[in-house]
Amino acid sequence: AQSVSQHNHHVILSEAASLELGCNYSYGGTVNLFWYVQYPGQHLQLLLKYFSGDPLVKGIKGFEAEFIKSKFSFNLRKPSVQWSDTAEYFCAVNALEAGYALNFGKGTSLLVTP
Amino acid sequence: DAGVTQSPTHLIKTRGQQVTLRCSPKSGHDTVSWYQQALGQGPQFIFQYYEEEERQRGNFPDRFSGHQFPNYSSELNVNALLLGDSALYLCASTGGKGAFFGQGTRLTVV
Repeated sequence: AQSVSQHNHHVILSEAASLELGCNYSYGGTVNLFWYVQYPGQHLQLLLKYFSGDPLVKGIKGFEAEFIKSKFSFNLRKPSVQWSDTAEYFCAVNALEAGYALNFGKGTSLLVTP
Repeated sequence: DAGVTQSPTHLIKTRGQQVTLRCSPKSGHDTVSWYQQALGQGPQFIFQYYEEEERQRGNFPDRFSGHQFPNYSSELNVNALLLGDSALYLCASTGGKGAFFGQGTRLTVV
């Protein structure tokens, strides 16, 4: 079945630690890939997106993600997290075979401790 | 500022009632999608409207219906509310690739 999987549901890190959140999808064909962040009490915000070209995508706030087509993965990374990165992170896929819908993973809750 | 505005922000309804949620898209965007986000889950696609027509629908029953107006704003209607309809309802507008989300309407069905 078509799906988007986020491996880590809850992550706790200390400030300055490195972050990597996993995302895998099961769609074939052409995909557009996204990472969204939801800070406490705020709306979903786009962190970064991949449509084509360089598989290493840089987004806002120092985040980046790498598209590995052979692994159907789009993992999110940040070299050094801050307390303000505490939020819910969602991976989303828009696949040609799924039409216009954005299909989201279940999300990863990140807590960064001082 | 998200640019996408939704109203109301919170709503409490009784099982069996009907509810209407509203969305104004980001300026310049002509496509509106609705998502349901249950607690602890990612948003689930309900449907998308473009040029006042439902262009695509997710796996939601007919109790969920919508409308898009000539100014691109949109409504989501849910009839015969069930307790399981309690969720955050998100509106997203698209003017190209990628979507911008509003803050959502928190619906509680009691």
